[in-house]
Amino acid sequence: EAQVTQNPRYLITVTGKKLTVTCSQNMNHEYMSWYRQDPGLGLRQIYYSMNVEVTDKGDVPEGYKVSRKEKRNFPLILESPSPNQTSLYFCASRGIPIGEQFFGPGTRLTVL
Amino acid sequence: AQSVTQPDIHITVSEGASLELRCNYSYGATPYLFWYVQSPGQGLQLLLKYFSGDTLVQGIKGFEAEFKRSQSSFNLRKPSVHWSDAAEYFCAVGPPGGQNFVFGPGTRLSVLP
Repeated sequence: EAQVTQNPRYLITVTGKKLTVTCSQNMNHEYMSWYRQDPGLGLRQIYYSMNVEVTDKGDVPEGYKVSRKEKRNFPLILESPSPNQTSLYFCASRGIPIGEQFFGPGTRLTVL
Repeated sequence: AQSVTQPDIHITVSEGASLELRCNYSYGATPYLFWYVQSPGQGLQLLLKYFSGDTLVQGIKGFEAEFKRSQSSFNLRKPSVHWSDAAEYFCAVGPPGGQNFVFGPGTRLSVLP
């Protein structure tokens, strides 16, 4: 089954404790993205990647890092999380030429 | 800068009534346009997309959308709403061939029995 998986689905952590949210897709897609969803703001793009070792900032990259060492994986790293990063995070992927983005199930992160 | 507005934060319709959700965008050229639906506690599912050609596009679940270049709009419609359509709807734009997508703030749809 074609899918995007994210882990963990729920995470509660404390300020400053480094964390990684994993994202993996099994569709051999070139493009992958991370979004955060906040009430009234919709989804905002954090980072995206157009291929292995090629990443770029989205609209809200501050406080986040990403890496794309393998085509299928695109982890999101918060090296020093803060409460304003409490949000619902989605990973997405799509292939070439442009088509629909496939979204993961989301990761709800709470930073205390 | 590109942006997407969805003027209606929350809409309530009766089951069986027609529906129109508004989406306006600001973009330098004609972008690729999308509508997604998010059911409570779920991820996002693509309803339909517009890249070029016929400005009236059909999607899944009986939805359609019309691209109007002169109004920079891409409104979503459904002739008869079902209770299962209650969800949040997001309009999104993206550059042709690019990856920097922008989403609107969403419209929450409630359906009365």
